[in-house]
Amino acid sequence: ILNVEQSPQSLHVQEGDSTNFTCSFPSSNFYALHWYRWETAKSPEALFVMTLNGDEKKKGRISATLNTKEGYSYLYIKGSQPEDSATYLCAFIDSGGYQKVTFGTGTKLQVIP
Amino acid sequence: DSGVTQTPKHLITATGQRVTLRCSPRSGDLSVYWYQQSLDQGLQFLIHYYNGEERAKGNILERFSAQQFPDLHSELNLSSLELGDSALYFCASSAGLAGALYEQYFGPGTRLTVT
Repeated sequence: ILNVEQSPQSLHVQEGDSTNFTCSFPSSNFYALHWYRWETAKSPEALFVMTLNGDEKKKGRISATLNTKEGYSYLYIKGSQPEDSATYLCAFIDSGGYQKVTFGTGTKLQVIP
Repeated sequence: DSGVTQTPKHLITATGQRVTLRCSPRSGDLSVYWYQQSLDQGLQFLIHYYNGEERAKGNILERFSAQQFPDLHSELNLSSLELGDSALYFCASSAGLAGALYEQYFGPGTRLTVT
């Protein structure tokens, strides 16, 4: 069983604050890492697909970095807004032949107006 | 709207029964993934199909099976249902053979309640 951990489990930030979370995954057999945003009562929504060591992706105020050698990815949100409140999930896909997907447990973000 | 459809939205059934959940991927997507989200666990990967062929299996029970048809829709069959099978079942689709290199688009999910 692969260990994909996310930290913190939850956090509350004030509107306008910048924040970041971590996804840790096995540093061997890396194939890809996905980040999702999951609002309550909705479906997960893809944010980024990270595939190469040193990858940096950006979408508006949200960005992500990837370090496959040490097995972590950071997700950054600049100037948090109430609409950023959601659970942020990472999913590790291993290269062991069949691309199994292992999700982290998520970081629940609450942005306080 | 992701373009992925799932039916039914809700399903209530009794233990021991069998149900079929259906997923239609986005137009042009060849990969379909099935996931389970139960109360006490996070999102769990069940199975991945690409263009009709099974590509990867996750934590899928032997009582569960899936297939992808020539028109690319997929069905997840759950049999001998137990209370613990109550969960939200998502399917997601993506483009390409190496589906993991592309964004996955999730359907709205099917909420299964086993009583």
